[in-house]
Amino acid sequence: DAGVTQSPTHLIKTRGQQVTLRCSPKSGHDTVSWYQQALGQGPQFIFQYYEEEERQRGNFPDRFSGHQFPNYSSELNVNALLLGDSALYLCASSFFGPGSTDTQYFGPGTRLTVL
Amino acid sequence: AQKITQTQPGMFVQEKEAVTLDCTYDTSDPSYGLFWYKQPSSGEMIFLIYQGSYDQQNATEGRYSLNFQKARKSANLVISASQLGDSAMYFCAMRGEFGNEKLTFGTGTRLTIIP
Repeated sequence: DAGVTQSPTHLIKTRGQQVTLRCSPKSGHDTVSWYQQALGQGPQFIFQYYEEEERQRGNFPDRFSGHQFPNYSSELNVNALLLGDSALYLCASSFFGPGSTDTQYFGPGTRLTVL
Repeated sequence: AQKITQTQPGMFVQEKEAVTLDCTYDTSDPSYGLFWYKQPSSGEMIFLIYQGSYDQQNATEGRYSLNFQKARKSANLVISASQLGDSAMYFCAMRGEFGNEKLTFGTGTRLTIIP
């Protein structure tokens, strides 16, 4: 049973560019959440997708957008990259249903460096 | 709003000893979920243990147990018989009452196991 997968593993971009990160959820999961983890800090919630719609959003600007596909996989897009966007981007999947503890399982992350 | 506080930036523990990692939380939600994750240097966030706010008993998963004291709003992680492979960052996190919500993380504790 494959866990959560993310691609790419590492990415280097320059200021002003745009980036797309991808996530495939754990088998049987229908919800994908994205987090940003700056160096030395805990992850910060960006947004969550369920049934192909953004269900919740954290305190991130509109430069951060996403999408969920019918197969539950998801993309995170960041436009007009800033130096401060350099971070580890973590994707987590979960199952939203009765009896579930809604535990979020994380992928290995994408490390984005903005120069 | 939810808040997680982890007051131990770093801990050093002798191999085979037990270790307690502190976590206090604050929320106005009548029900909530508490989680502990382990993050090795590779970056992946590994789920360890879950405690629901209405669970009567403290959660246990192998060598991990959660010392849940609701009145004190604390959810400490206890690792028994520590191993060298336990060296990592440990994050306490919580979600709100509606389930499948965003996770709010603490700042983490870096645990180092000494041979």
